[in-house]
Amino acid sequence: NAGVTQTPKFQVLKTGQSMTLQCAQDMNHEYMSWYRQDPGMGLRLIHYSVGAGITDQGEVPNGYNVSRSTTEDFPLRLLSAAPSQTSVYFCASSLGQGIHEQYFGPGTRLTVT
Amino acid sequence: GNSVTQMEGPVTLSEEAFLTINCTYTATGYPSLFWYVQYPGEGLQLLLKATKADDKGSNKGFEATYRKETTSFHLEKGSVQVSDSAVYFCALTLNRDDKIIFGKGTRLHILP
Repeated sequence: NAGVTQTPKFQVLKTGQSMTLQCAQDMNHEYMSWYRQDPGMGLRLIHYSVGAGITDQGEVPNGYNVSRSTTEDFPLRLLSAAPSQTSVYFCASSLGQGIHEQYFGPGTRLTVT
Repeated sequence: GNSVTQMEGPVTLSEEAFLTINCTYTATGYPSLFWYVQYPGEGLQLLLKATKADDKGSNKGFEATYRKETTSFHLEKGSVQVSDSAVYFCALTLNRDDKIIFGKGTRLHILP
């Protein structure tokens, strides 16, 4: 099994550009989420989804959009990139919230200049 | 609110030393507690967990005991290896349907 895959691994954007970070899982997990990791800040939840067609905001949703048209895919869209969005982005999936183990992808390192 | 506090890093130890990484929590109910580990260049992976007071989670020589009286879940290992160098995250969740809350992480360096 591939588990959770993310593309691209690295990306450089100019301020104002848009892009989509891809996330896919092959474990038939209902719950998927996006985090950003910044030095000294730990992991902060951006958006999450409890199943296809259902998404909700996390702790830091501004500047990001998500959709969940299938169980497998959960893309994260940056509509107009800003330097404050320079970070490492992780996608995760699990059977559900709470006590279920979260499975993380390898991350996307994004730099906005 | 609910939160997790970990000791500041980085922590630097020599190989075969004893490791403790402190974690304390604040929660309005009875949380489940976790330790996740992030090896260089990778995503996080679950190391161990405990779902009720006095439970001990263990994996790969690491242990942590859920102490309700001190609201703590300290991570320990008797003899660390260079391959244990990573960032360790303590985390909690309040119930089966709640989001997981992560601490800020503690970076561990093991010297050969």
